[in-house]
Amino acid sequence: GNSVTQMEGPVTLSEEAFLTINCTYTATGYPSLFWYVQYPGEGLQLLLKATKADDKGSNKGFEATYRKETTSFHLEKGSVQVSDSAVYFCALSDYTDKLIFGTGTRLQVFP
Amino acid sequence: DARVTQTPRDKVTEMGQEVTMRCQPILGHNTVFWYRQTMMQGLELLAYFRNRAPLDDSGMPKDRFSAEMPDATLATLKIQPSEPRDSAVYFCASGLDNGLYGYTFGSGTRLTVV
Repeated sequence: GNSVTQMEGPVTLSEEAFLTINCTYTATGYPSLFWYVQYPGEGLQLLLKATKADDKGSNKGFEATYRKETTSFHLEKGSVQVSDSAVYFCALSDYTDKLIFGTGTRLQVFP
Repeated sequence: DARVTQTPRDKVTEMGQEVTMRCQPILGHNTVFWYRQTMMQGLELLAYFRNRAPLDDSGMPKDRFSAEMPDATLATLKIQPSEPRDSAVYFCASGLDNGLYGYTFGSGTRLTVV
């Protein structure tokens, strides 16, 4: 079945460091890909999305490119802030329109 | 901003009691999901609806869980009888059709069964 695999956390960085969180997927057809972010005590918020191969989603300095050849959708940010500390979820929406999540990656940014 | 409203925010109940969680999706959204989040299992899809009709509830323990949409403005998730292993945060999410624009999540109901 369709699935999403994320790198294990926590990812610990100093402020202004470069961030990469790896995400790969397994799916039939052409899924849409998403990154969601969850701050403590809150629900998930859509961070960015890409709906077809080579699309780049971007928001709040975060970027991810839909790579069909490597079935990947890695999240990147050039300079993280303390306020970016949260749990990040990679997800796909398959032909059934179900949203399938990875296990989440906790990011901790220290001043 | 439009939001998905979940009630109650927190619920503590005794084992064996019935629990009902409610969700008000964003007006105009026709797709509603129920997810359960725990440390051990992460985010699990329990059920989802399109235009109020259940499309998939295979992730839900059928003997004790039930999900319904009595109308377009209300989705409910019931557990009867509740068990300690049901303790989790339950999220509702809504969106349009195939979710090309993403789905909006509520703040969740934190359920503790003692």
